[in-house]
Amino acid sequence: DIQMTQSPSSLSASVGDRVTITCRASQGISNYLAWYQQKPGKVPKLLIYAASTLQSGVPSRFSGSGSGTDFTLTISSLQPEDVATYYCQKYNSAPQFGQGTKVEIK
Amino acid sequence: EVQLVESGGGLVQPGGSLRLSCAASGFTFSSYSMNWVRQAPGKGLEWVSYISSSSSTIYYADSVKGRFTISRDNAKNSLYLQMNSLRDEDTAVYYCARDRAVLIWGQGTTVTVSS
Repeated sequence: DIQMTQSPSSLSASVGDRVTITCRASQGISNYLAWYQQKPGKVPKLLIYAASTLQSGVPSRFSGSGSGTDFTLTISSLQPEDVATYYCQKYNSAPQFGQGTKVEIK
Repeated sequence: EVQLVESGGGLVQPGGSLRLSCAASGFTFSSYSMNWVRQAPGKGLEWVSYISSSSSTIYYADSVKGRFTISRDNAKNSLYLQMNSLRDEDTAVYYCARDRAVLIWGQGTTVTVSS
């Protein structure tokens, strides 16, 4: 089975900082990669699919890149409302989530 | 309005069984693959099972393989998860989720496995 490894598991950054979260697949998954944001007590929200396609309505400060085994979610300018846990998910064949990255404001 | 509504959760003893249901509305259910995803208290998301639109392709997480069975009834716009031989570690909120990259989620139903 393909494993998804996210890093870091948590991070603390200042408002306005550029934040980068990485996700690595143990085997190539082409661009079958999505990113989700989950706030406490809420269901996950789809941010990006096909590795780099921004879901409609998601702020443009969010972006995704990568293909094959290495992927990145970037928040270009961290805002207070971005405090959440972020998950990557592969969706070719059997889906799989990464362990999550908790983002906090410093 | 596009909606997924789960039901069937509850308290069950270890070794017991439970059947979850998910009622879909507001979209052509038969055109979409579906998933069950769970989240244990204070933990991350864990994908549980996937079923294609025609039920021709089914996947399970290793943690539930042989114990859980996913199914769907396109005529009834419904998704199911039969859970047998339940363990303490199956305690979680179970979400019904539409498609491979999940845009639509249900609100979840809570399963508690405890003696």
